[in-house]
Amino acid sequence: NAGVTQTPKFRILKIGQSMTLQCTQDMNHNYMYWYRQDPGMGLKLIYYSVGAGITDKGEVPNGYNVSRSTTEDFPLRLELAAPSQTSVYFCASSFPPNNYGYTFGSGTRLTVV
Amino acid sequence: DAKTTQPTSMDCAEGRAANLPCNHSTISGNEYVYWYRQIHSQGPQYIIHGLKNNETNEMASLIITEDRKSSTLILPHATLRDTAVYYCIVRVEGSSGSARQLTFGSGTQLTVLP
Repeated sequence: NAGVTQTPKFRILKIGQSMTLQCTQDMNHNYMYWYRQDPGMGLKLIYYSVGAGITDKGEVPNGYNVSRSTTEDFPLRLELAAPSQTSVYFCASSFPPNNYGYTFGSGTRLTVV
Repeated sequence: DAKTTQPTSMDCAEGRAANLPCNHSTISGNEYVYWYRQIHSQGPQYIIHGLKNNETNEMASLIITEDRKSSTLILPHATLRDTAVYYCIVRVEGSSGSARQLTFGSGTQLTVLP
């Protein structure tokens, strides 16, 4: 099993550009999450999904969009990149009700200049 | 979810036990204590969780006080590879409401010294 796979690992964007962070999991987990982590800080939840076709906002959703057309994939879209979105982005999946079953990807380091 | 308080940083000598404290004085009866860790630049990794009984697995032990207002994560023989940020999280189990999210605080930076 590959677990949770995120691409790309690194990316530099110019202000105003758009991009999609890809996340896919092969564990048949129905819950998926996007977190961001600013330097020296804990993780903050951006969006999550409890199943295909269902998404919901987390703590810091502004400036982002998500979709969940399949169980495996949960892409995160940045429409108009801003310097405040410079961060490391982590995707995770889980199979409730076992919250200890969170599996995280290796992260995408995004810099907006 | 109940809030947690952890020290910002701790040091531990290699080969010694690392004891990481966590205060969660407002914990509710149905909330579990979870521990995750994050090694530099990697995604967080689940370590252990418990409700009220002490728990042990191949990675660590979790000691929860009788009143459940605090807990301690114990790494019995710390190695250099245990250097990481350790997060204590308190939450309910389940698949609805707040159980849908895992909320991370700032954690404790554990540095294992050679």
